[in-house]
Amino acid sequence: KAGVTQTPRYLIKTRGQQVTLSCSPISGHRSVSWYQQTPGQGLQFLFEYFSETQRNKGNFPGRFSGRQFSNSRSEMNVSTLELGDSALYLCASSFETDGNTIYFGEGSWLTVV
Amino acid sequence: EDQVTQSPEALRLQEGESSSLNCSYTVSGLRGLFWYRQDPGKGPEFLFTLYSAGEEKEKERLKATLTKKESFLHITAPKPEDSATYLCAVQAYNYGQNFVFGPGTRLSVLP
Repeated sequence: KAGVTQTPRYLIKTRGQQVTLSCSPISGHRSVSWYQQTPGQGLQFLFEYFSETQRNKGNFPGRFSGRQFSNSRSEMNVSTLELGDSALYLCASSFETDGNTIYFGEGSWLTVV
Repeated sequence: EDQVTQSPEALRLQEGESSSLNCSYTVSGLRGLFWYRQDPGKGPEFLFTLYSAGEEKEKERLKATLTKKESFLHITAPKPEDSATYLCAVQAYNYGQNFVFGPGTRLSVLP
């Protein structure tokens, strides 16, 4: 059974640009959540989508957004990139929402220069 | 405010030297406590889920336990391949799938 797939794995962007990251959940999983991981802040929750609806959102500015498609695949977008957005962005999926174990992908490494 | 702390921050063990990692949490209504292992440059790998005080789960050399205030990850006779960062996370009833993660314990097992 394939795991959570994230693309691209590595990318470098310039300040002010925008970036879109993609996530394909484990087959059959309907919940997709996104996390940002940095050395200073650790793993922080960005948002969760279930059945194409955002269910929860963390404490991140509006520059961070996401969406989920009918096949449960998800994308997250960061606009007007700042140097501090450099991080590992992790996608996780679960079968249902509210209490299910989440399984992570390998992440997308974003460097903003 | 819900929070998770982990200790020690880093731990170096000799191969075969057993030890325990601690995860202390403060959460309003614990739905579940989760342990993950993360290797450098990779996403966290799921290890255990614990739901109620007194519960224990085992997998190979790892055993996770849960009380009302903390969880322990016991590592028995570790091997170098157990070297990784171990992350603890909690989920509260009012958070949906928002997991609050601790900072992790960086474990190094020397041959």
